[in-house]
Amino acid sequence: ETGVTQTPRHLVMGMTNKKSLKCEQHLGHNAMYWYKQSAKKPLELMFVYNFKEQTENNSVPSRFSPECPNSSHLFLHLHTLQPEDSALYLCASSRLAGPQEEYNEQFFGPGTRLTVL
Amino acid sequence: DQQVKQNSPSLSVQEGRISILNCDYTNSMFDYFLWYKKYPAEGPTFLISISSIKDKNEDGRFTVFLNKSAKHLSLHIVPSQPGDSAVYFCAGSGAGSYQLTFGKGTKLSVIP
Repeated sequence: ETGVTQTPRHLVMGMTNKKSLKCEQHLGHNAMYWYKQSAKKPLELMFVYNFKEQTENNSVPSRFSPECPNSSHLFLHLHTLQPEDSALYLCASSRLAGPQEEYNEQFFGPGTRLTVL
Repeated sequence: DQQVKQNSPSLSVQEGRISILNCDYTNSMFDYFLWYKKYPAEGPTFLISISSIKDKNEDGRFTVFLNKSAKHLSLHIVPSQPGDSAVYFCAGSGAGSYQLTFGKGTKLSVIP
Protein backbone atom coordinates (compact mmCIF):
# COMPACT_ATOMS: atom_id res chain seq x y z
CA GLU A 1 0.00 0.00 0.00
CA THR A 2 1.17 3.49 -0.74
CA GLY A 3 -0.04 6.97 0.14
CA VAL A 4 -3.01 7.44 2.41
CA THR A 5 -5.66 4.74 2.68
CA GLN A 6 -9.07 4.94 4.29
CA THR A 7 -11.57 2.26 5.25
CA PRO A 8 -14.39 1.76 4.75
CA ARG A 9 -14.97 3.65 1.52
CA HIS A 10 -18.71 3.76 2.10
CA LEU A 11 -20.67 3.52 5.34
CA VAL A 12 -24.38 3.66 6.08
CA MET A 13 -25.36 3.86 9.70
CA GLY A 14 -28.35 4.58 11.85
CA MET A 15 -28.41 7.37 14.40
CA THR A 16 -27.97 4.96 17.30
CA ASN A 17 -25.06 3.03 15.81
CA LYS A 18 -21.40 3.24 16.76
CA LYS A 19 -18.85 2.94 13.99
CA SER A 20 -15.24 3.87 13.32
CA LEU A 21 -13.42 5.24 10.33
CA LYS A 22 -9.82 4.22 9.82
CA CYS A 23 -6.98 6.02 8.11
CA GLU A 24 -3.45 4.82 7.50
CA GLN A 25 -0.59 6.70 5.90
CA HIS A 26 2.46 5.04 4.36
CA LEU A 27 4.43 8.24 3.70
CA GLY A 28 6.43 8.53 6.90
CA HIS A 29 4.55 11.69 7.84
CA ASN A 30 4.10 12.94 11.38
CA ALA A 31 0.89 14.94 11.11
CA MET A 32 -2.56 13.61 10.31
CA TYR A 33 -5.85 15.38 9.73
CA TRP A 34 -9.58 14.70 9.54
CA TYR A 35 -11.67 16.81 7.17
CA LYS A 36 -15.37 16.85 6.42
CA GLN A 37 -16.72 17.69 2.99
CA SER A 38 -20.45 18.34 2.81
CA ALA A 39 -22.30 18.95 -0.41
CA LYS A 40 -21.60 22.40 -1.88
CA LYS A 41 -19.36 23.39 1.01
CA PRO A 42 -15.59 23.76 1.26
CA LEU A 43 -13.53 21.13 3.00
CA GLU A 44 -13.74 21.73 6.74
CA LEU A 45 -10.86 20.82 9.01
CA MET A 46 -12.02 18.79 12.01
CA PHE A 47 -8.93 17.57 13.85
CA VAL A 48 -5.16 17.75 13.59
CA TYR A 49 -2.69 15.35 15.20
CA ASN A 50 0.97 16.18 15.32
CA PHE A 51 3.23 13.37 16.54
CA LYS A 52 0.16 11.61 17.95
CA GLU A 53 -0.87 14.66 19.97
CA GLN A 54 -4.09 16.44 19.13
CA THR A 55 -3.22 20.02 18.33
CA GLU A 56 -6.43 21.25 16.75
CA ASN A 57 -10.11 20.64 17.33
CA ASN A 58 -12.26 22.92 15.25
CA SER A 59 -15.29 22.97 17.55
CA VAL A 60 -16.34 19.52 16.45
CA PRO A 61 -19.29 17.95 18.34
CA SER A 62 -18.38 15.27 20.83
CA ARG A 63 -20.22 12.63 18.83
CA PHE A 64 -17.04 12.61 16.73
CA SER A 65 -14.12 11.21 18.70
CA PRO A 66 -10.66 10.96 17.10
CA GLU A 67 -7.93 8.58 18.11
CA CYS A 68 -4.31 8.55 16.97
CA PRO A 69 -2.41 5.56 18.40
CA ASN A 70 0.73 6.30 16.35
CA SER A 71 1.90 8.58 13.57
CA SER A 72 0.67 6.20 10.87
CA HIS A 73 -2.86 5.53 12.04
CA LEU A 74 -5.83 7.74 12.69
CA PHE A 75 -9.36 6.78 13.66
CA LEU A 76 -12.61 8.67 13.85
CA HIS A 77 -15.10 7.07 16.21
CA LEU A 78 -18.72 7.92 15.49
CA HIS A 79 -21.69 7.59 17.82
CA THR A 80 -25.25 8.92 17.87
CA LEU A 81 -24.73 10.83 14.65
CA GLN A 82 -27.36 13.00 12.99
CA PRO A 83 -28.49 12.89 9.35
CA GLU A 84 -26.75 16.24 8.76
CA ASP A 85 -23.45 14.49 9.54
CA SER A 86 -23.74 12.66 6.23
CA ALA A 87 -20.73 13.75 4.21
CA LEU A 88 -17.42 12.69 2.74
CA TYR A 89 -14.82 12.30 5.48
CA LEU A 90 -11.28 12.77 4.30
CA CYS A 91 -8.07 11.91 6.06
CA ALA A 92 -4.82 13.65 5.17
CA SER A 93 -1.22 13.56 6.30
CA SER A 94 1.75 15.87 5.99
CA ARG A 95 5.38 15.86 6.97
CA LEU A 96 4.88 18.02 10.01
CA ALA A 97 2.42 20.63 11.16
CA GLY A 98 3.50 23.47 13.39
CA PRO A 99 4.68 27.04 13.74
CA GLN A 100 8.34 26.12 13.32
CA GLU A 101 7.78 24.19 10.20
CA GLU A 102 7.76 25.35 6.65
CA TYR A 103 4.57 24.74 4.79
CA ASN A 104 3.73 21.13 4.21
CA GLU A 105 1.56 19.89 1.45
CA GLN A 106 -1.15 17.63 2.74
CA PHE A 107 -1.76 14.31 1.06
CA PHE A 108 -5.32 13.04 1.11
CA GLY A 109 -6.89 9.62 1.23
CA PRO A 110 -9.85 8.67 -0.99
CA GLY A 111 -12.38 9.41 1.74
CA THR A 112 -15.24 7.58 3.41
CA ARG A 113 -18.70 8.44 2.10
CA LEU A 114 -20.90 8.39 5.22
CA THR A 115 -24.68 8.30 5.16
CA VAL A 116 -26.59 8.62 8.42
CA LEU A 117 -30.19 7.42 8.27
CA ASP B 1 -17.55 34.42 5.88
CA GLN B 2 -15.66 32.53 3.21
CA GLN B 3 -11.99 33.37 3.31
CA VAL B 4 -11.26 31.60 0.03
CA LYS B 5 -13.67 32.06 -2.86
CA GLN B 6 -13.87 30.26 -6.13
CA ASN B 7 -16.70 32.09 -7.80
CA SER B 8 -17.03 29.85 -10.83
CA PRO B 9 -18.57 26.51 -9.89
CA SER B 10 -17.83 25.12 -13.33
CA LEU B 11 -15.78 25.77 -16.45
CA SER B 12 -15.76 24.11 -19.88
CA VAL B 13 -12.76 24.34 -22.18
CA GLN B 14 -11.89 22.81 -25.53
CA GLU B 15 -9.02 20.35 -25.58
CA GLY B 16 -5.74 22.08 -26.45
CA ARG B 17 -6.91 25.48 -25.25
CA ILE B 18 -5.99 27.24 -22.04
CA SER B 19 -7.96 26.68 -18.83
CA ILE B 20 -7.91 29.51 -16.30
CA LEU B 21 -9.27 28.85 -12.84
CA ASN B 22 -9.61 31.77 -10.48
CA CYS B 23 -9.48 32.13 -6.73
CA ASP B 24 -9.91 35.14 -4.45
CA TYR B 25 -9.07 35.36 -0.78
CA THR B 26 -9.86 37.81 1.97
CA ASN B 27 -7.45 36.78 4.73
CA SER B 28 -4.36 39.01 4.45
CA MET B 29 -2.50 36.62 6.78
CA PHE B 30 -2.40 33.95 4.09
CA ASP B 31 1.02 33.69 2.59
CA TYR B 32 1.00 30.27 1.01
CA PHE B 33 -1.46 28.96 -1.51
CA LEU B 34 -2.08 25.52 -2.94
CA TRP B 35 -4.14 24.02 -5.72
CA TYR B 36 -5.59 20.55 -5.43
CA LYS B 37 -7.31 18.44 -8.07
CA LYS B 38 -10.04 15.97 -7.22
CA TYR B 39 -11.47 13.19 -9.34
CA PRO B 40 -14.78 11.54 -8.37
CA ALA B 41 -14.42 8.86 -5.69
CA GLU B 42 -10.86 9.97 -4.93
CA GLY B 43 -9.33 12.34 -2.40
CA PRO B 44 -7.85 15.67 -3.45
CA THR B 45 -4.40 15.47 -5.01
CA PHE B 46 -1.84 18.21 -4.52
CA LEU B 47 -1.10 19.97 -7.80
CA ILE B 48 0.98 23.09 -7.31
CA SER B 49 1.68 25.75 -4.69
CA ILE B 50 2.99 29.28 -4.45
CA SER B 51 4.50 31.31 -1.66
CA SER B 52 3.57 34.96 -1.30
CA ILE B 53 7.13 36.02 -2.01
CA LYS B 54 6.58 34.91 -5.60
CA ASP B 55 4.08 36.00 -8.20
CA LYS B 56 4.41 32.97 -10.44
CA ASN B 57 5.19 29.30 -10.13
CA GLU B 58 5.32 26.91 -13.05
CA ASP B 59 5.27 23.14 -13.24
CA GLY B 60 4.90 21.66 -16.69
CA ARG B 61 1.49 22.54 -18.08
CA PHE B 62 0.42 24.15 -14.82
CA THR B 63 1.21 27.72 -13.79
CA VAL B 64 -0.10 29.56 -10.77
CA PHE B 65 -0.12 33.35 -10.67
CA LEU B 66 -0.48 35.36 -7.48
CA ASN B 67 -1.55 39.00 -7.27
CA LYS B 68 -1.19 39.92 -3.62
CA SER B 69 -2.50 43.44 -3.96
CA ALA B 70 -5.71 42.11 -5.51
CA LYS B 71 -5.77 39.05 -3.22
CA HIS B 72 -6.23 36.94 -6.30
CA LEU B 73 -4.61 33.86 -7.69
CA SER B 74 -5.21 31.86 -10.80
CA LEU B 75 -4.25 28.46 -12.15
CA HIS B 76 -3.47 28.19 -15.85
CA ILE B 77 -3.46 24.84 -17.59
CA VAL B 78 -2.09 24.83 -21.09
CA PRO B 79 -2.71 22.91 -23.22
CA SER B 80 -5.80 21.47 -21.54
CA GLN B 81 -6.32 17.72 -21.84
CA PRO B 82 -9.44 15.61 -21.25
CA GLY B 83 -7.67 13.98 -18.28
CA ASP B 84 -7.60 17.40 -16.61
CA SER B 85 -11.37 17.20 -16.15
CA ALA B 86 -11.80 17.28 -12.39
CA VAL B 87 -12.76 19.58 -9.52
CA TYR B 88 -9.99 22.05 -8.63
CA PHE B 89 -9.70 23.44 -5.12
CA CYS B 90 -7.75 26.50 -4.11
CA ALA B 91 -6.47 26.67 -0.51
CA GLY B 92 -4.69 29.27 1.57
CA SER B 93 -2.54 29.00 4.65
CA GLY B 94 -0.92 31.43 7.03
CA ALA B 95 2.60 31.24 8.38
CA GLY B 96 2.89 28.74 11.20
CA SER B 97 -0.66 27.53 10.73
CA TYR B 98 -1.73 23.92 10.51
CA GLN B 99 -4.85 24.82 8.70
CA LEU B 100 -5.55 24.94 5.00
CA THR B 101 -8.64 26.98 4.19
CA PHE B 102 -10.26 25.67 1.05
CA GLY B 103 -12.56 27.19 -1.54
CA LYS B 104 -15.67 25.34 -2.73
CA GLY B 105 -13.97 24.19 -5.90
CA THR B 106 -14.41 24.67 -9.63
CA LYS B 107 -15.40 21.76 -11.83
CA LEU B 108 -13.35 21.80 -15.03
CA SER B 109 -14.57 19.91 -18.08
CA VAL B 110 -12.16 19.60 -20.99
CA ILE B 111 -14.03 18.73 -24.14
CA PRO B 112 -12.24 16.52 -26.71
